[in-house]
Amino acid sequence: SQQGEEDPQALSIQEGENATMNCSYKTSINNLQWYRQNSGRGLVHLILIRSNEREKHSGRLRVTLDTSKKSSSLLITASRAADTASYFCATDDNQGGKLIFGQGTELSVKP
Amino acid sequence: NAGVTQTPKFQVLKTGQSMTLQCAQDMNHEYMSWYRQDPGMGLRLIHYSVGAGITDQGEVPNGYNVSRSTTEDFPLRLLSAAPSQTSVYFCASSRGDSYNEQFFGPGTRLTVL
Repeated sequence: SQQGEEDPQALSIQEGENATMNCSYKTSINNLQWYRQNSGRGLVHLILIRSNEREKHSGRLRVTLDTSKKSSSLLITASRAADTASYFCATDDNQGGKLIFGQGTELSVKP
Repeated sequence: NAGVTQTPKFQVLKTGQSMTLQCAQDMNHEYMSWYRQDPGMGLRLIHYSVGAGITDQGEVPNGYNVSRSTTEDFPLRLLSAAPSQTSVYFCASSRGDSYNEQFFGPGTRLTVL
């Protein structure tokens, strides 16, 4: 079974609004990563947060991690139409081997 | 650097045929992996390798073989293609291990009739 699961599965917002996506996982991790996938393309790394970090920022992205709840959230502020994509969280097996992806959140930002 | 390259981009097979999906990276990354992506299922890990000569199974390894004879290449072999293997296949690599940023190839879209 998959380690990470995203919520919601789909999200539609207007340009300028904020978008929040959540990820839950099952076992202990070394770090958690977020990726973006534009339609028909490979995945692109967005941000990595380590298990001893609680919050991390990168441009308009803000990621939080709550290891006690085994959950993470990705916030995109002031969204743009170009942010339309699928977003995936990925967690490791804490042994440097497997990196497991969730099912993703499909974000649509309408101009 | 070309990054992670995959060939072919598209492939149609008949049930029972075999083929190899190629993956190469020029970043001297130790870690390489193969995923398949199906609608509504996200990415599922097929096989991975933490270095030349070392491979291990992921979530859905049945029907696939891999080998890692060099650091650069990580081919995925379909032994006897089945319609259930129709999918988009992605190869990824990273320095070190799975803890680090993964670089993805553009994918191979495979259809098995």
